[in-house]
Amino acid sequence: AQKVTQAQTEISVVEKEDVTLDCVYETRDTTYYLFWYKQPPSGELVFLIRRNSFDEQNEISGRYSWNFQKSTSSFNFTITASQVVDSAVYFCALSEASSGGGADGLTFGKGTHLIIQP
Amino acid sequence: EAGVTQSPTHLIKTRGQQATLRCSPISGHTSVYWYQQALGLGLQFLLWYDEGEERNRGNFPPRFSGRQFPNYSSELNVNALELEDSALYLCASSLDRGQNTGELFFGEGSRLTVL
Repeated sequence: AQKVTQAQTEISVVEKEDVTLDCVYETRDTTYYLFWYKQPPSGELVFLIRRNSFDEQNEISGRYSWNFQKSTSSFNFTITASQVVDSAVYFCALSEASSGGGADGLTFGKGTHLIIQP
Repeated sequence: EAGVTQSPTHLIKTRGQQATLRCSPISGHTSVYWYQQALGLGLQFLLWYDEGEERNRGNFPPRFSGRQFPNYSSELNVNALELEDSALYLCASSLDRGQNTGELFFGEGSRLTVL
């Protein structure tokens, strides 16, 4: 069975600090997909990134970067020079190819509430 | 372009009543997903509709049901409400049936409170 663990329930940092959100996953599939979503106070989840299990390259998008390490089953998310607008709940999610790889098979972690203080 | 819209924003019901939540997907999206976000439980997959058919459902009792209309909008019905049904219900739509992308577009949710 697939499982996603976000051990950090809440993180609070001061603006401009770097912050890393941890995500550890469990799966028996060799083909799977990992995601990060952001949920601002308004409620809607916003898709940030998708990674498949065969692509271990790290990704950078502006102030956001993702570190995927199959050896430790981790897909961590770093925000550099954090801003107040980054305050939100961030969800890591996993979908196994054996369950269709579709969105109905997404398993979400319980989320990390990130608070950026001015 | 309008995003995913959900109504009502808030709904208060009492135990035993029925609740109906509505969702309009992004224009052109045929797949609609429903998720429940209850306090302390995270996001739980409820239902997936595509082209008017129920394609899959999560581990929820039959009193959670829904449908998708010809215009791809969707309705979630919760019968015989229980206190633990209090949650934020999120609707999401996808252009490609969500296959192998997981890129969903979410609405802002309907917060259901059961008293």
